[in-house]
Amino acid sequence: KQEVTQIPAALSVPEGENLVLNCSFTDSAIYNLQWFRQDPGKGLTSLLLIQSSQREQTSGRLNASLDKSSGRSTLYIAASQPGDSATYLCAVEGNYQLIWGAGTKLIIKP
Amino acid sequence: NAGVTQTPKFRVLKTGQSMTLLCAQDMNHEYMYWYRQDPGMGLRLIHYSVGEGTTAKGEVPDGYNVSRLKKQNFLLGLESAAPSQTSVYFCASSYSTGTEQYFGPGTRLTVT
Repeated sequence: KQEVTQIPAALSVPEGENLVLNCSFTDSAIYNLQWFRQDPGKGLTSLLLIQSSQREQTSGRLNASLDKSSGRSTLYIAASQPGDSATYLCAVEGNYQLIWGAGTKLIIKP
Repeated sequence: NAGVTQTPKFRVLKTGQSMTLLCAQDMNHEYMYWYRQDPGMGLRLIHYSVGEGTTAKGEVPDGYNVSRLKKQNFLLGLESAAPSQTSVYFCASSYSTGTEQYFGPGTRLTVT
């Protein structure tokens, strides 16, 4: 059974720092891995989707990598801003289903 | 273009009552999903649909039923609500498997 883990559960950093969020999964037989952002009381917004054949995807200040063989993905955020404060969730897709991590709550201090 | 909408936004039920949550999408997506999110846990898939008239069970389907009579709507029903069903429910849709999922704002349900 696929399990997805995100460590740490919470992270607080000063504005302007570069940071890395981690996601690990137990079964490498995935179709893709997705990173989402969730703001309090709101729905989820897709940030990046990495197909299983890809190694990374970039969007603006965000870069996500995927290493299927080791069961790991990282989300790199450059030059963090207070507006980046949110919960970041990763999810792996297999057999029509997304299996989710519990998320990392990120706080960027001004 | 409203994307994915959910009604209601909040609801309080007593144990044993029934209710239906409505999800609507205007992106002509084939796939629709219902998830629940509990504190400290990731989202868990309840049911999903790969097209009009189809439904399938997800990870945690017990106590829920769904219907997809129209392509743009996906209904989630609770026939006899239990306190364990207190949660935030999210609906999502996508063009196909392996593509980006778009989420609604969620429904916060409390069962007392």
